[in-house]
Amino acid sequence: ETGVTQSPTHLIKTRGQQVTLRCSSQSGHNTVSWYQQALGQGPQFIFQYYREEENGRGNFPPRFSGLQFPNYSSELNVNALELDDSALYLCASSLSSGVVTGELFFGEGSRLTVL
Amino acid sequence: AQRVTQPEKLLSVFKGAPVELKCNYSYSGSPELFWYVQYSRQRLQLLLRHISRESIKGFTADLNKGETSFHLKKPFAQEEDSAMYYCALRSDDYKLSFGAGTTVTVRA
Repeated sequence: ETGVTQSPTHLIKTRGQQVTLRCSSQSGHNTVSWYQQALGQGPQFIFQYYREEENGRGNFPPRFSGLQFPNYSSELNVNALELDDSALYLCASSLSSGVVTGELFFGEGSRLTVL
Repeated sequence: AQRVTQPEKLLSVFKGAPVELKCNYSYSGSPELFWYVQYSRQRLQLLLRHISRESIKGFTADLNKGETSFHLKKPFAQEEDSAMYYCALRSDDYKLSFGAGTTVTVRA
């Protein structure tokens, strides 16, 4: 059973650019959520996808968008990057029942630096 | 809106001593609380959930709705308990809100 994998692990962008981060869910999981973790802070919920539909969104602007594919892998896209977008982006997957139980399985994250 | 507060950024205890990590929350609905842990060079993972009333690795946590708290306790800390601990609250729409985390160091 493979765990949650994210790519890339590190990347550097400049203000105004766009970035795409990718996540492969743990085998058998149909729900994926994305979190932003700034330095010294806890993860902040961005949004969640269940069976390719967004079914929950945190307090993030529309330039943060996502996709979930039929194989349940997912992408997080951020447009018009700002310096404050510099953070660790975590992907977490679960079975729909996991959403109910609260158990999420996290990836190791993608660290984005915006210059 | 929900909010999770972990007042201690750092906590240092000696091996064998009791450890308690504080977590307070605010939420207008019926809260479900969790503790997640991140060991060095490992991923964030679920430690325990209040609804299960379970003890995991010697840790327990009791939900106190009157004090809006969900403190994590262990009577005898071990060196392998050194990690980052996050308290999290799940709202009615299944969104998890995390606190800022507490770094625990257990000294020999």
